[in-house]
Amino acid sequence: DAGVIQSPRHEVTEMGQEVTLRCKPISGHDYLFWYRQTMMRGLELLIYFNNNVPIDDSGMPEDRFSAKMPNASFSTLKIQPSEPRDSAVYFCASRGGQGGTGELFFGEGSRLTVL
Amino acid sequence: GENVEQHPSTLSVQEGDSAVIKCTYSDSASNYFPWYKQELGKGPQLIIDIRSNVGEKKDQRIAVTLNKTAKHFSLHITETQPEDSAVYFCAASKRADSGYALNFGKGTSLLVTP
Repeated sequence: DAGVIQSPRHEVTEMGQEVTLRCKPISGHDYLFWYRQTMMRGLELLIYFNNNVPIDDSGMPEDRFSAKMPNASFSTLKIQPSEPRDSAVYFCASRGGQGGTGELFFGEGSRLTVL
Repeated sequence: GENVEQHPSTLSVQEGDSAVIKCTYSDSASNYFPWYKQELGKGPQLIIDIRSNVGEKKDQRIAVTLNKTAKHFSLHITETQPEDSAVYFCAASKRADSGYALNFGKGTSLLVTP
């Protein structure tokens, strides 16, 4: 298995632009998580899905952030409009469901820089 | 929600020495406590976890201890090697395989010097 695949690995954009980050979870995993990592705040949970349904989006910082999971093999995190304070590394992770070990499998992250 | 505190934020040890990282959690209902290691440019990876029905778990040079009464747990790395240099995160949640997400500590940057 290729693991969790995220794209793009790096994104540099200007304030006000729309940013879309993409994630392909491990096949068969029914939980998908989006985390944001910064030096100041560490790893913050933004939102997670179970069987493509959003379960908890209380970590999404503002209405500028939105996430979708149209099918079991694809999710997007969108920021519109982007701001410099959104600069961070965004991680997607997936996990098996009931009976699983509980291990989160992370992608390699998408480093976002908003100028 | 669950609040996980992690100390220290940075730790430097000589190769061969032991390293200890400590975490506390706030929600007494939490019963799953994993530790993740993040190498530069990579996503975090699980290295060891413990559930609340045991007080200690060991895997070669790494061990984790849990004190549910005090609500704290620790990671112990013995005979450290340069390749142990990384950022380590503790986490807590109510169940490993349910709809509960992991709440992470802020991480400890470990440097092992030869």
